[in-house]
Amino acid sequence: DAGVIQSPRHEVTEMGQEVTLRCKPISGHNSLFWYRQTMMRGLELLIYFNNNVPIDDSGMPEDRFSAKMPNASFSTLKIQPSEPRDSAVYFCASKMAGQNQPQHFGDGTRLSIL
Amino acid sequence: ILNVEQSPQSLHVQEGDSTNFTCSFPSSNFYALHWYRWETAKSPEALFVMTLNGDEKKKGRISATLNTKEGYSYLYIKGSQPEDSATYLCATNYGGSQGNLIFGKGTKLSVKP
Repeated sequence: DAGVIQSPRHEVTEMGQEVTLRCKPISGHNSLFWYRQTMMRGLELLIYFNNNVPIDDSGMPEDRFSAKMPNASFSTLKIQPSEPRDSAVYFCASKMAGQNQPQHFGDGTRLSIL
Repeated sequence: ILNVEQSPQSLHVQEGDSTNFTCSFPSSNFYALHWYRWETAKSPEALFVMTLNGDEKKKGRISATLNTKEGYSYLYIKGSQPEDSATYLCATNYGGSQGNLIFGKGTKLSVKP
């Protein structure tokens, strides 16, 4: 099992540019989560999908952030336009159905907006 | 607003010491309590998921207990080793089995050899 795969691992870009983060969940998992980790706020949920459908996007900070899950094996988190305060580590996680199931995290994307 | 509190924020122990830390959460509408281990520069790794009051789980030297009536869980590490150094996160979910997790800020454990 390859685990949750995120790309890129690191991204450095100038403010105003569009940033796209990618995630491939574990095969057979039906829920996918996008998190942001910062020193100030810790690990905070941005959005999660169940069976490819967005369920709760209340954590998405602004309209500049958007996420899609076109199929069961792929999701993107897009920031347009990016700002320096978006710099953080972004994690994707997936899980199987059921409240007893843990979330499995990818290695994260470290994003730096200059 | 669901709030998950962890204490202490950080902990420094000597190799061989046993230690424990606490996770507090609202006891109403409880579904499950998760513990994760998060090493620096890596991603969180699931340790335990507990759902029933009185649950106890164990993995090697690490164990956890759950009290859903009073809303707390303890994580114990017996005979700490330097490789146990990590941040330990707890999280609880609401909204049923499809709900997301609300994470505490974690307890950062440092074990000195």
